[in-house]
Amino acid sequence: AQTVTQSQPEMSVQEAETVTLSCTYDTSESDYYLFWYKQPPSRQMILVIRQEAYKQQNATENRFSVNFQKAAKSFSLKISDSQLGDAAMYFCAYRSAWGNEKLTFGTGTRLTIIP
Amino acid sequence: DAGVIQSPRHEVTEMGQEVTLRCKPISGHDYLFWYRQTMMRGLELLIYFNNNVPIDDSGMPEDRFSAKMPNASFSTLKIQPSEPRDSAVYFCASSGRGGLVRLGSGANVLTFGAGSRLTVL
Repeated sequence: AQTVTQSQPEMSVQEAETVTLSCTYDTSESDYYLFWYKQPPSRQMILVIRQEAYKQQNATENRFSVNFQKAAKSFSLKISDSQLGDAAMYFCAYRSAWGNEKLTFGTGTRLTIIP
Repeated sequence: DAGVIQSPRHEVTEMGQEVTLRCKPISGHDYLFWYRQTMMRGLELLIYFNNNVPIDDSGMPEDRFSAKMPNASFSTLKIQPSEPRDSAVYFCASSGRGGLVRLGSGANVLTFGAGSRLTVL
């Protein structure tokens, strides 16, 4: 079974600065997807960014980018120019690329933005 | 599309009562997932369906929990009888075309509903 580990329960960053959230995973598969979801106080789960394992290029979405290291099974999220609205729980998640599979989540990292 | 619709948003009930949570997935999605979120256990998958058929219910805590998907546009999660330890936020999520084929770039993303917060007194 796949597992996802987020070793940082809490992180904080000064507004406008850059922060990196860590995620590692364990799998025997070679074809899969990785995701970062954001959960603000409203509790809505919002997709931030996704990465396909067969793509070597790191995904980028505006101020959000990932550092995907397939051999190391590492998938970190970098948030540039942090904004107050970025304050939330961030969950790393894994899904097999072949249908019939669930989304497995890490335990989350609570990100606080310091004005 | 209105996204994944869950009801009720909040439910407060007394121990022993039956609770029914409802979900309407995004039209055209053939996967539906029920997750539970608690402080202690994080996000846990309870059950998921593919084309209205339950595929994996190994996360369902016990016989008090049951889930159905009578058609492609509706699912329920029922707890009977409810207990205080069932208090949690229950999320429904759906995703696109799947099955025994490789999930394409548009199908692999789960879209979540706003969640149903259940409090059992």
